[in-house]
Amino acid sequence: QKEVEQNSGPLSVPEGAIASLNCTYSDRGSQSFFWYRQYSGKSPELIMSIYSNGDKEDGRFTAQLNKASQYVSLLIRDSQPSDSATYLCAVNRRSGYSTLTFGKGTMLLVSP
Amino acid sequence: GAVVSQHPSWVICKSGTSVKIECRSLDFQATTMFWYRQFPKQSLMLMATSNEGSKATYEQGVEKDKFLINHASLTLSTLTVTSAHPEDSSFYICSAGGTGGRQETQYFGPGTRLLVL
Repeated sequence: QKEVEQNSGPLSVPEGAIASLNCTYSDRGSQSFFWYRQYSGKSPELIMSIYSNGDKEDGRFTAQLNKASQYVSLLIRDSQPSDSATYLCAVNRRSGYSTLTFGKGTMLLVSP
Repeated sequence: GAVVSQHPSWVICKSGTSVKIECRSLDFQATTMFWYRQFPKQSLMLMATSNEGSKATYEQGVEKDKFLINHASLTLSTLTVTSAHPEDSSFYICSAGGTGGRQETQYFGPGTRLLVL
């Protein structure tokens, strides 16, 4: 079983719709969870972090964490073509350290 | 805050030469820095992890004598690709893990594209 799993996509949504990106992880002791966005040809950019169960909202982005189900998701409301990118889920298994395990990413395509 | 720079952004070199890439954390102290490589349309691949003042830890399959990493200070790490060959052509990205509240995540530099002719 892969440590951090994401559907590779592409996930296609129309402009204005909600995009839902999902991620599962295998280590039940994981502490911190992150979503990065990577545009084609660019390096990853941190967009959200979440540490406790429930929802965390930041603008059009909402991260959801369910530790019991070992599941973390990212919702993007009012999707824009500029949101088209690969979204990487990352998990930190050790509190106080910055070593992350990355998923392979989900490509999101938002059509005008 | 949490800005990481890389230099150069592009480098073209002849086969057999060595190339040094610098990674700097500009506004925080990076206790740990990471070096990744990414080939076109592929996932990030972690090459090595370095802590300030100690030897880097290389991932399986990464030649430590070919990819020399130095993390001399809390704001600077360098990756030297020695005797570069065309198959080393790739997108090299560093990231930095900070101290205090930034200790548990990574902030990425903009990356360096290496083309070996």
